[in-house]
Amino acid sequence: GENVEQHPSTLSVQEGDSAVIKCTYSDSASNYFPWYKQELGKGPQLIIDIRSNVGEKKDQRIAVTLNKTAKHFSLHITETQPEDSAVYFCAATGAGGTSYGKLTFGQGTILTVHP
Amino acid sequence: EPEVTQTPSHQVTQMGQEVILRCVPISNHLYFYWYRQILGQKVEFLVSFYNNEISEKSEIFDDQFSVERPDGSNFTLKIRSTKLEDSAMYFCASRGLGGKNEQYFGPGTRLTVT
Repeated sequence: GENVEQHPSTLSVQEGDSAVIKCTYSDSASNYFPWYKQELGKGPQLIIDIRSNVGEKKDQRIAVTLNKTAKHFSLHITETQPEDSAVYFCAATGAGGTSYGKLTFGQGTILTVHP
Repeated sequence: EPEVTQTPSHQVTQMGQEVILRCVPISNHLYFYWYRQILGQKVEFLVSFYNNEISEKSEIFDDQFSVERPDGSNFTLKIRSTKLEDSAMYFCASRGLGGKNEQYFGPGTRLTVT
């Protein structure tokens, strides 16, 4: 089955700096890669996603890149703000065919943005 | 904006008791999921449900677990005889039809088994 590895486990940055979180996946059939933000006591919130036919996607201060050959994808947050502090999870799934969209998650990254 | 809701937010039960966790998915979604997250660990897939039947389940989802969509809006997870190791956050998620891959998660139910 799919295995997703995520690094780093903790990331501390100063407000205004950029943050990068990296994930690798094992199953070459995976074709959808979402990122979730989880704040304390809340459920994961989808913040951005990318499909395997796209190399990069951007939404304001957040971007995701995908390298299918190397089977890794990354989350980039620019101009970080204290409210970006949370746990970030990457995930992977193969959609369509026999897959019903089961998400396999990475271990999570605790991002702390210091004012 | 539509959202997934879950009740209760916190459930405390004694070992061996049955619990039912409830979820109301987003109204026009057709795929439903349960995940769990043991404190400090990653989110783990339990089961997916489509067209009134289980479409996929993990090794965690053994005979003690069952899911049901009793009406057009609710989606439930039942644990027949809870164990201490079932203590976790349980998240429900739902997804729309066709090419829409996005899964939206509820706020979770914290299950504590004593």
